[in-house]
Amino acid sequence: EMQLVESGGGLVQPGGSLRLSCVASGFTFSKYGLHWVRQAPGKGLEYVSAISANGDITFYANSVKGRFTISRDNSENTLYLEMGGLRAEDMALYYCTSDGFDMWGPGTMVTVSS
Amino acid sequence: QSALTQPPSASGSPGQSVTISCSGTSSDVGTYKFVSWFQQHPGKAPKLMIYEVSKRPSGVPGRFSGSKSGNTASLTVSGLQAEDEADYYCSSYAGSNNYVFGTGTKVTVL
Repeated sequence: EMQLVESGGGLVQPGGSLRLSCVASGFTFSKYGLHWVRQAPGKGLEYVSAISANGDITFYANSVKGRFTISRDNSENTLYLEMGGLRAEDMALYYCTSDGFDMWGPGTMVTVSS
Repeated sequence: QSALTQPPSASGSPGQSVTISCSGTSSDVGTYKFVSWFQQHPGKAPKLMIYEVSKRPSGVPGRFSGSKSGNTASLTVSGLQAEDEADYYCSSYAGSNNYVFGTGTKVTVL
């Protein structure tokens, strides 16, 4: 069964850092680009970041550029999102999703609060 | 990049049809065929319902259909069923590896 499972969310103070992970299974991870999409409580979906299959191309939304870093380890079938300088507006459920958005993980919640 | 504009809500009785619009610009919906639609039930991850404007992934019922005209895309759900009650989001490729999502529409089955 093809699956994505996120982890690493939690409570962090404003200005703090967190690293999210997304472990994939059931498909050839190294062949596909991946994305991070977030959803603030009670709000809509927001596109955050993307990385190509071999990791040489990345994209960041303006709202996170310079603070977040996307990366991947194809030997471990894992996608990462390093989050720094966290703000209240970064509080959201973070989903990893496949190229084409046909597969989504259940999400991991990031709470930014003092 | 601004979010695509969707109506906040839509509704219909069982068996009826409902159409949701997704208004973008010539920089996203108007230029690219990569328009998708997602269904999201409360507490669940989004589910892809339509991709490339009008294609349905395997397992999505045929009563879900998509179209596009100019800068506006549309999702039609025909023969509404109780389980179709959910939030629906559109998305479009916006160039330079960027995607933009719609504001979301809550569909209620009366």
